[in-house]
Amino acid sequence: DQQVKQNSPSLSVQEGRISILNCDYTNSMFDYFLWYKKYPAEGPTFLISISSIKDKNEDGRFTVFLNKSAKHLSLHIVPSQPGDSAVYFCAAPLNFGNEKLTFGTGTRLTIIP
Amino acid sequence: DAGVIQSPRHEVTEMGQEVTLRCKPISGHNSLFWYRQTMMRGLELLIYFNNNVPIDDSGMPEDRFSAKMPNASFSTLKIQPSEPRDSAVYFCASSLGDGYEKLFFGSGTQLSVL
Repeated sequence: DQQVKQNSPSLSVQEGRISILNCDYTNSMFDYFLWYKKYPAEGPTFLISISSIKDKNEDGRFTVFLNKSAKHLSLHIVPSQPGDSAVYFCAAPLNFGNEKLTFGTGTRLTIIP
Repeated sequence: DAGVIQSPRHEVTEMGQEVTLRCKPISGHNSLFWYRQTMMRGLELLIYFNNNVPIDDSGMPEDRFSAKMPNASFSTLKIQPSEPRDSAVYFCASSLGDGYEKLFFGSGTQLSVL
């Protein structure tokens, strides 16, 4: 049973525009969320995280928004660049204070030059 | 640091054969994880170790799968006998093992069971 869901398998965005990737979760006990980015033939790499005490965390072109009441988080990339083309996974720790993560199924982002 | 090192990168085998995947975590990391990636289920946690001890193996699909961590610098994931439905990319990841530390993944092993 997927506790973290990414309902869009793919997304295409024009270079320079905003990319918005969405993630929903079912467990209201989750208190920390992470986004990972994966290029072909490589392992996922950590991108950005957010604690449930915040509703926004920003790092350069990447911003993650958390809506606890809706159990929804989103990753915004502005402006989108060709190098952002990758698969993006959202994840959450299954237990408080534990690095054992459950991942969504991923969204493949393609940036069109 | 060389990062998490996995071998082999690709493995093609026939159904019924034994498969062994290997992982060297980042030096100094206390936690090690084995994940499997499939199109349908994304990244699934199979098992994780802390200080070389298996903490949670609830994600191991069945008895055909086993994992060991004989020391802090080496882990194996074994499938015996292998089946075509085991075909997937298997990732090893390590972390400092202290709370919400981010995971560092290897490049994965692409397993194809014919």
